[in-house]
Amino acid sequence: AQTVTQSQPEMSVQEAETVTLSCTYDTSESDYYLFWYKQPPSRQMILVIRQEAYKQQNATENRFSVNFQKAAKSFSLKISDSQLGDAAMYFCAYRRGAGGTSYGKLTFGQGTILTVHP
Amino acid sequence: DAGVIQSPRHEVTEMGQEVTLRCKPISGHNSLFWYRQTMMRGLELLIYFNNNVPIDDSGMPEDRFSAKMPNASFSTLKIQPSEPRDSAVYFCASSPGQIGNEQFFGPGTRLTVL
Repeated sequence: AQTVTQSQPEMSVQEAETVTLSCTYDTSESDYYLFWYKQPPSRQMILVIRQEAYKQQNATENRFSVNFQKAAKSFSLKISDSQLGDAAMYFCAYRRGAGGTSYGKLTFGQGTILTVHP
Repeated sequence: DAGVIQSPRHEVTEMGQEVTLRCKPISGHNSLFWYRQTMMRGLELLIYFNNNVPIDDSGMPEDRFSAKMPNASFSTLKIQPSEPRDSAVYFCASSPGQIGNEQFFGPGTRLTVL
């Protein structure tokens, strides 16, 4: 079974600084997708960024980028120029690729609470 | 375009009562997912449907839980009888049919069982 581990229960950053959130996963699959979701106090789950395992290039979305290390099964999220609105719980998630059952299922890590200090 | 709609947003009930949570997926999405979020277990998938057919219900805790999707625009998650340990936030999400596509989450239903 796939597992996703976020080893940092809490992180903090100063406004305008950069912070990196860690995520590791365990899978025997070669085809899969990785996601970072943000959950602000409103509890709405919002997709931040996604990465296809077959792509070597790290995904980037504005101030958000990932460091995808497939061999190490590591998928960290870097937030540059942190803003107060970035404060939230961040979840790393895994989804297997096509084929077999349960390919649509998202497996989540435990989450990391990010605090942004003004 | 409206996102995933869930109702009610909050539900407080007493142990032993039946609870029904409702979800309307985004129009055109053919996959629907029910997740539960608790402090102890985090976010976990309960069941998901593809084209209204249940594909994987291995996450459904026990027979007290049941889910249906009678048509492409509506799904229910029912708990009967409810227990205090069922207290959680229940999310519904939908996704277009292609593999790897984003799952769009609803606002969640906070359930409290007294």
